[in-house]
Amino acid sequence: ETGVTQSPTHLIKTRGQQVTLRCSSQSGHNTVSWYQQALGQGPQFIFQYYREEENGRGNFPPRFSGLQFPNYSSELNVNALELDDSALYLCASSVTLQVAKNIQYFGAGTRLSVL
Amino acid sequence: SQQGEEDPQALSIQEGENATMNCSYKTSINNLQWYRQNSGRGLVHLILIRSNEREKHSGRLRVTLDTSKKSSSLLITASRAADTASYFCATDGINAGGTSYGKLTFGQGTILTVHP
Repeated sequence: ETGVTQSPTHLIKTRGQQVTLRCSSQSGHNTVSWYQQALGQGPQFIFQYYREEENGRGNFPPRFSGLQFPNYSSELNVNALELDDSALYLCASSVTLQVAKNIQYFGAGTRLSVL
Repeated sequence: SQQGEEDPQALSIQEGENATMNCSYKTSINNLQWYRQNSGRGLVHLILIRSNEREKHSGRLRVTLDTSKKSSSLLITASRAADTASYFCATDGINAGGTSYGKLTFGQGTILTVHP
């Protein structure tokens, strides 16, 4: 198992609500990336945080936002939830100094269901 | 959008047989990685191959990379029932200046089922 932990494990929300997902990085890792994985699909990159700043963003609307804290933990916030936001949300930590490798260590994910 | 495609989408074999999965991608890469996912949970890194490498081995895993064809393959030898999982290739893309974007772009995955 990796040292990346995510909470909560499962979440049920209704359309229009807001949700916050949390992630604790593996010890020594300074970079956190978030991915959305719809059923039967591969993960899609949402954004990445390094030194508490967004360091790249995928094709997701602004209602997807994030934070990284000084201890390198992170939050993913999604506003105005839509049915299509139902997915497994994965957090991955890595060490930016090793950018030439960019191996990412994933948490077990948060499964979000929007009704 | 997904970077590339994997085939087959599903593969069913008997224990002891070899499993081969293929991946194609579209852009220039720094490296290509393979991950495994059990039952829709977190992904586990299996192996990384750099853009200047052609083949790499790790235990029962063998990865090849052909950058001219923008394709890779993962071979699992002597498969076991415990290898049953989804397997994803992921590319670490680079920009025109040769700098990594720092994100991974995943394929859609191959579902491998190994029957005891």
